[in-house]
Amino acid sequence: AQTVTQSQPEMSVQEAETVTLSCTYDTSESDYYLFWYKQPPSRQMILVIRQEAYKQQNATENRFSVNFQKAAKSFSLKISDSQLGDAAMYFCAYRSRGNQFYFGTGTSLTVIP
Amino acid sequence: SAVISQKPSRDICQRGTSLTIQCQVDSQVTMMFWYRQQPGQSLTLIATANQGSEATYESGFVIDKFPISRPNLTFSTLTVSNMSPEDSSIYLCSVGTSQGRDYEQYFGPGTRLTVT
Repeated sequence: AQTVTQSQPEMSVQEAETVTLSCTYDTSESDYYLFWYKQPPSRQMILVIRQEAYKQQNATENRFSVNFQKAAKSFSLKISDSQLGDAAMYFCAYRSRGNQFYFGTGTSLTVIP
Repeated sequence: SAVISQKPSRDICQRGTSLTIQCQVDSQVTMMFWYRQQPGQSLTLIATANQGSEATYESGFVIDKFPISRPNLTFSTLTVSNMSPEDSSIYLCSVGTSQGRDYEQYFGPGTRLTVT
């Protein structure tokens, strides 16, 4: 079965600085999808960024970018110019072609003013 | 993207009773899911809500405890039956949308359930 590992339960970053959240996964599939979700205290799960495994180019959404290393099964999230509103729990998720969806245990990000 | 609403947003219920949570999507979607997020935990898939047929439940979840309806492509309900304090969780509705080979999954705002 696929597993998603987030090895950093908590991270902190100074406002305006850059932080990288780690995620690794285990799979035998070659075609799949990866996601980062943000869950602020309001508990709304917000899709931050997604990456299709068949695409070699790393996804970017404004201040958010990923470093997708398919061979290493690594999918890290970089947040540039961190803002106070970025403080939240971040979940890495994997979706197989067969509709199975797996979440990591989350990383709690604190942004220090 | 899809906009998802859930009702109620929160509720406090007595053990032994049942609660039905509604999920409404602003567009027709093929895939709808129900997740549970226990306090301080990650998300666990309860079931896939299938339109026109019985839901597909994940291991550890059964229809008698979590009956699901999906009468059309924009609406689903999840009932938490015969509740116990262990059912206190956030319940989230989620939808998946595909365009070609691309796939996105969105979540509703969640329903915070407390069972006393």
